[in-house]
Amino acid sequence: AQKVTQAQTEISVVEKEDVTLDCVYETRDTTYYLFWYKQPPSGELVFLIRRNSFDEQNEISGRYSWNFQKSTSSFNFTITASQVVDSAVYFCALSYMEYGNKLVFGAGTILRVKS
Amino acid sequence: DAMVIQNPRYQVTQFGKPVTLSCSQTLNHNVMYWYQQKSSQAPKLLFHYYDKDFNNEADTPDNFQSRRPNTSFCFLDIRSPGLGDAAMYLCATSRDAREETQYFGPGTRLLVL
Repeated sequence: AQKVTQAQTEISVVEKEDVTLDCVYETRDTTYYLFWYKQPPSGELVFLIRRNSFDEQNEISGRYSWNFQKSTSSFNFTITASQVVDSAVYFCALSYMEYGNKLVFGAGTILRVKS
Repeated sequence: DAMVIQNPRYQVTQFGKPVTLSCSQTLNHNVMYWYQQKSSQAPKLLFHYYDKDFNNEADTPDNFQSRRPNTSFCFLDIRSPGLGDAAMYLCATSRDAREETQYFGPGTRLLVL
C-alpha cells in the first residue's frame, strides 16, 4: 500500500532562515508521481511541484528547491531565505492508480515563519 | 484565468438539514474529485468522476452523494449532515485518469449547528 510520512508536525523559523521539509514515501509501483502542495490559512491547496519516479534531477524554482532520492524514498523540500508569506501547511503527496488517478497525502507540516 | 471555483466559501447548515456544495471548472478537465479535510488533518478523498463514471471510496459514508451534470460542474450532496461532517470540502480536477496533477479549488468550509 502507498504511504507518505511527513515526520515534522510543525517547524518554526525566523525570517531569512533556510528550512527543509522532509517527506518519505512507500510504494510498490515502479511508476509514480510525487507532489508538494501548499495550504495557506485561506484553505486552498496550491500545487507547487510534480516529480515522476524516473526523474531524479533536483529542481529549483526561485527560493524553492526539491531533492528527490529514490534510494532513500525521499522527496524533500527546501525554502531558502524564508519569508512570513511562506507560513502555511505543506503537504507531500504520492499518486497511485486505482480506478483512476488518486493521491495519498502525508499528514502535513505546519511552517511558521516569524519576522 | 482557467480555474476551479467553489461556492459558497462558507456554508452553515443545521443538523440533519440537506446541504449541497458546488464546484465548477474552466479547465475542461475530465476528472473531478471531492475531498473532505477536517481540522489539522490531510485531505481525504470521498469520490471522483472520470467524465461521467462515478467512483466512490469504500469508506465514504452513504450520507454523501455526488452529481456531475456536465463536464464543468460537480456537486456534493450531504443528505443529513451530522456534527462530525463539519469540515473543509475541497474540489479538485485533473486532465485525465492517468497520473496527472490535481488542481484544487479554494474549498467550502461547512459548519453544522
